[in-house]
Amino acid sequence: DTAVSQTPKYLVTQMGNDKSIKCEQNLGHDTMYWYKQDSKKFLKIMFSYNNKELIINETVPNRFSPKSPDKAHLNLHINSLELGDSAVYFCASSQARTGDFNEQFFGPGTRLTVL
Amino acid sequence: RKEVEQDPGPFNVPEGATVAFNCTYSNSASQSFFWYRQDCRKEPKLLMSVYSSGNEDGRFTAQLNRASQYISLLIRDSKLSDSATYLCVFTGGGNKLTFGTGTQLKVEL
Repeated sequence: DTAVSQTPKYLVTQMGNDKSIKCEQNLGHDTMYWYKQDSKKFLKIMFSYNNKELIINETVPNRFSPKSPDKAHLNLHINSLELGDSAVYFCASSQARTGDFNEQFFGPGTRLTVL
Repeated sequence: RKEVEQDPGPFNVPEGATVAFNCTYSNSASQSFFWYRQDCRKEPKLLMSVYSSGNEDGRFTAQLNRASQYISLLIRDSKLSDSATYLCVFTGGGNKLTFGTGTQLKVEL
């Protein structure tokens, strides 16, 4: 029973293409996230959605567009892929209770390689 | 100054050794602190939260020093299975996590 799943696990594509990564969580969480981990292993948040609404949007190029059809899914669409987009993209989810931190559970990651 | 700094390592230690990592942060408004563990080519997983009073979970002890703005992780009696990258993480409130680049630990026979 995978809690947070992502597809595909690996994605190799040419520069200029458009691609999507899908994420689903079966934990009943209200909040979902996309993170990017670059070649230097630096993990940085890109977006966060709470119950289908965008709540965190870091300085990410507008070629990246997240879409949340329902609170269990958060997909990431990337237009006009560039070499610098090569990275591992992690989806995560957590409860949305205010106050104390709510543990984030990460998906297995999607390794994107742009040629 | 970077938001969070960690010695990347690797720390190569023999099985059974005690090893400690530190992590410094620059934002004094940071509220909550954590250690995450990331195995090679896997996703990060929460290891433990870090409290000012210090907290322990089995062989792992975490400490927070707000005055000096650092957190630490101590691992006693290292096991081969402890080999991983340990990520220092904090949040300024809410659910936005800021990650360090991690410290790599290799436990050897």
